[in-house]
Amino acid sequence: NAGVMQNPRHLVRRRGQEARLRCSPMKGHSHVYWYRQLPEEGLKFMVYLQKENIIDESGMPKERFSAEFPKEGPSILRIQQVVRGDSAAYFCASSPRAGSAGELFFGEGSRLTVL
Amino acid sequence: DAKTTQPPSMDCAEGRAANLPCNHSTISGNEYVYWYRQIHSQGPQYIIHGLKNNETNEMASLIITEDRKSSTLILPHATLRDTAVYYCIVLTPYNTDKLIFGTGTRLQVFP
Repeated sequence: NAGVMQNPRHLVRRRGQEARLRCSPMKGHSHVYWYRQLPEEGLKFMVYLQKENIIDESGMPKERFSAEFPKEGPSILRIQQVVRGDSAAYFCASSPRAGSAGELFFGEGSRLTVL
Repeated sequence: DAKTTQPPSMDCAEGRAANLPCNHSTISGNEYVYWYRQIHSQGPQYIIHGLKNNETNEMASLIITEDRKSSTLILPHATLRDTAVYYCIVLTPYNTDKLIFGTGTRLQVFP
């Protein structure tokens, strides 16, 4: 049973470009969460999605960031017009049901570097 | 969610028990204590959780004080692969979907 798969593992973008990060949850998991980790800091919650629905986006910056989890395919975190402050590790996690922090599995992360 | 306080770093000799403390003095009666760890450059990994009774699994033991204001994660026989940042997180059973990671404790296991 494959774990949470994230790609790309490393992504380099220039200021003003777009970054797309993908997350395939574990088999049987329909709940996806995105977290961001700035250098030398703890992880910060960004958004929680179920298939085709955003449940909680209270941690998402108001502009340039969006997330989706379509009926088919991976969840995507999209960052438009990237700036240097967006450089971070972005982690995706999945769980089989809501309210199951003990069944939360994280991917290896996608590391975005903005030049 | 209640705030937690952890020492920023600890050392432990390989093969010895690692005892990682966490203070959560404002914890509410229905809030659970969860522990995660993050090995360098990897995603966080769930370790264990508890409400008020002590818990043990294949990875660790969790000791929660009777007043529930603090807890200790115990790795009984630390190995070099246990070197990681350990996070203590307090959650209500109705809001376990948004983990709040503090700065954690950086455990260094040395040979």
